[in-house]
Amino acid sequence: EAQVTQNPRYLITVTGKKLTVTCSQNMNHEYMSWYRQDPGLGLRQIYYSMNVEVTDKGDVPEGYKVSRKEKRNFPLILESPSPNQTSLYFCASSWGRKSYEQYFGPGTRLTVT
Amino acid sequence: ELKVEQNPLFLSMQEGKNYTIYCNYSTTSDRLYWYRQDPGKSLESLFVLLSNGAVKQEGRLMASLDTKARLSTLHITAAVHDLSATYFCASQEAGSYQLTFGKGTKLSVIP
Repeated sequence: EAQVTQNPRYLITVTGKKLTVTCSQNMNHEYMSWYRQDPGLGLRQIYYSMNVEVTDKGDVPEGYKVSRKEKRNFPLILESPSPNQTSLYFCASSWGRKSYEQYFGPGTRLTVT
Repeated sequence: ELKVEQNPLFLSMQEGKNYTIYCNYSTTSDRLYWYRQDPGKSLESLFVLLSNGAVKQEGRLMASLDTKARLSTLHITAAVHDLSATYFCASQEAGSYQLTFGKGTKLSVIP
């Protein structure tokens, strides 16, 4: 089944404790992206990747890192999480910029205390 | 910087009625997307609009794009309860990989 998976789905952590949210797709998609969703703000793009080893900042990259060492995986790293990073995070993928449909993962609800 | 504005942000409508959600974007856009999100769920792609005058329909939903006015609409015909969800539009600036979302329209269809 074609899908985007994220782990963990729920995470409660403390300020400053490094964490990684994994994202994996099984569709051989070139393009992958991370978004955060906050009430009243909609979805905002954090980082995106056009292919292996090619990444770029979205609208709200501060406090986040990403890497794309393999085509199928695009982990989101929070080196020193803070409470303002409490949010719902979505990973998405598509064939490429010319592809019209992004497939979204199930979401990861992160709480930083 | 590309800005995307949706209105209304909240919409309560009776079953059987028609209504339109509006999505305005601020700069030249390559394409316009509409998504649906049910409570506690991920986003589901509804429509992709690629050119001026594009119109797509699926069931009771119809989306259109006017690139000259920088406006897309999502029209709901004879609403049913199953359409209750939050609807997002998103715009992709010409030549860019970035996708900018509107804040979403929370639709409640009341029997």
